[in-house]
Amino acid sequence: AQKITQTQPGMFVQEKEAVTLDCTYDTSDPSYGLFWYKQPSSGEMIFLIYQGSYDQQNATEGRYSLNFQKARKSANLVISASQLGDSAMYFCAMREGEGGSYIPTFGRGTSLIVHP
Amino acid sequence: EPEVTQTPSHQVTQMGQEVILRCVPISNHLYFYWYRQILGQKVEFLVSFYNNEISEKSEIFDDQFSVERPDGSNFTLKIRSTKLEDSAMYFCASTADRARGKYGYTFGSGTRLTVV
Repeated sequence: AQKITQTQPGMFVQEKEAVTLDCTYDTSDPSYGLFWYKQPSSGEMIFLIYQGSYDQQNATEGRYSLNFQKARKSANLVISASQLGDSAMYFCAMREGEGGSYIPTFGRGTSLIVHP
Repeated sequence: EPEVTQTPSHQVTQMGQEVILRCVPISNHLYFYWYRQILGQKVEFLVSFYNNEISEKSEIFDDQFSVERPDGSNFTLKIRSTKLEDSAMYFCASTADRARGKYGYTFGSGTRLTVV
């Protein structure tokens, strides 16, 4: 069974608008972490944001915020004020702790294209 | 900002040849990983390494693969006899604290392996 599901293979957004990239996860481990990574066309994986399962507040990093809804098991990435340089693949990942293996597992990714 | 360095960035090899992919993790990191990404597909876990030994490996990581940390700084992935299906981007990653992971797992820029 998929542990990380990203249902949007591709998303388009106008420059300066906000966009939400969806991610749902599946775990029975009470301790887990959720990550978002950006992969531009050059190929490197760039860490964007982290949310721990026990964190009370949604994580924010500059223009990135994570809409963490624990009961729904969703961890959507919100990018505010999109820029052309945001065009990339975006991967959601989860690592399970304690009862799990601490190995980050990735979703299939969402391709984001920002239009001028 | 500390980086995970991978060399070479691109390697072309003949089928059946041995290849060694090299990584220099961040110096104070303790946990090391190899992932691969076949073109256009998801990022797949291969192996994790801690305290000079493999801590976990996936079903992909068969007898053709090996890892070692020969000198306390380099972390290598060896593929003994390459197959066409080994063509992929290989990522090295490291983290200081896998349990918290607040600062993410830092990935290198990847080595694109092409088997011909």
